[in-house]
Amino acid sequence: KAGVTQTPRYLIKTRGQQVTLSCSPISGHRSVSWYQQTPGQGLQFLFEYFSETQRNKGNFPGRFSGRQFSNSRSEMNVSTLELGDSALYLCASSGARNGVGETQYFGPGTRLLVL
Amino acid sequence: AQSVTQPDIHITVSEGASLELRCNYSYGATPYLFWYVQSPGQGLQLLLKYFSGDTLVQGIKGFEAEFKRSQSSFNLRKPSVHWSDAAEYFCAVVPFSGGYNKLIFGAGTRLAVHP
Repeated sequence: KAGVTQTPRYLIKTRGQQVTLSCSPISGHRSVSWYQQTPGQGLQFLFEYFSETQRNKGNFPGRFSGRQFSNSRSEMNVSTLELGDSALYLCASSGARNGVGETQYFGPGTRLLVL
Repeated sequence: AQSVTQPDIHITVSEGASLELRCNYSYGATPYLFWYVQSPGQGLQLLLKYFSGDTLVQGIKGFEAEFKRSQSSFNLRKPSVHWSDAAEYFCAVVPFSGGYNKLIFGAGTRLAVHP
């Protein structure tokens, strides 16, 4: 089975721009979660989608949004980029059951640099 | 407050030596517990997980972890470290109630291995 894929792998943007990141989960997985990793704040949960519905959200401003498509692929969008949004954005997918605490499999991440 | 604590930010061991990485959590009910490893520039790889049952859990790459309810701990161990184990290790939990698949991570422990 192919793993979680994320595109693009690297991205450079300037302040004020917006960006869209994409994540394709493992085949058959219906849950997709997004995390932000920075040296200062560590790994922080952004949101989780299950069957096209956001069912959990972290403590991030409204500039961070996401969606999930019927094929379980997910995108996250950050509008009005700030320097502090520079980070590694990780996507994770988990199994087809509507469960709790399922094992999550991570993609390689998208490294975003905001100048 | 609910939290995951990894007291050791950085650990250095010699190749062949034993290893123990500490993790403590603060939650009302025992959460789901995970250990992930991240190599430089990579995503996260699951080493092992604990949901219930036997408190000694075996994982990949020769790692094991022991859950101790009385100490709210989930420490990761390896009897003999290899140079390829140099990486950053993250303890994570999913709260038992309402967490779905929301992983809450500790700050991580960076492991260096001397030859």
